Amino acid sequence: DAGVTQSPTHLIKTRGQHVTLRCSPISGHKSVSWYQQVLGQGPQFIFQYYEKEERGRGNFPDRFSARQFPNYSSELNVNALLLGDSALYLCASSLGTSNTKNIQYFGAGTRLSVL
Amino acid sequence: AQKVTQAQTEISVVEKEDVTLDCVYETRDTTYYLFWYKQPPSGELVFLIRRNSFDEQNEISGRYSWNFQKSTSSFNFTITASQVVDSAVYFCALTSYGNNRLAFGKGNQVVVIP
Repeated sequence: DAGVTQSPTHLIKTRGQHVTLRCSPISGHKSVSWYQQVLGQGPQFIFQYYEKEERGRGNFPDRFSARQFPNYSSELNVNALLLGDSALYLCASSLGTSNTKNIQYFGAGTRLSVL
Repeated sequence: AQKVTQAQTEISVVEKEDVTLDCVYETRDTTYYLFWYKQPPSGELVFLIRRNSFDEQNEISGRYSWNFQKSTSSFNFTITASQVVDSAVYFCALTSYGNNRLAFGKGNQVVVIP
């Protein structure tokens, strides 16, 4: 079975632009989470979605938004890009949100560079 | 608030040596889960192990073993007989009961020298 897939793998944008990152979860997984990983740091939680509903949001500005589609894939949108948004954006999927299903499996990420 | 501390930043070992990674966590929750993930240069985080706060039994899985001590809030991870393919960044992470958001430490860069 395919793992978590993310697209694109790399992206270069300029300040003020908008970006959309995409994620397809492992087949059968209904929950998707997004994380931002700045160089040299651990990933930081941005959003979690389950059954198309937002279940959690990290400490990120309103420029960051996301959604989950009926096929459980997800998009992360970032508006008005800043230099500080340059990072590796990781998507993770899990079977669900209950404790027996909370192992998150990650994709290879989208590396965003803002110039 | 939850916090995970991984004090060592980079650890270099010669192949076949053992390497132990320290993880100390803070949480107000009584029920929680601890994880170790591996991040090779490709960038993908690979799940290694998960323990819940009720189970302090330490285990060995192949060349991996872990030592969970609730009394000291530590969840250390050991790679036995390291190999070059073990070179990666290793992250300790924490999540609470009913909450799927992972709180990660800063990671340990492990370099295995042939």
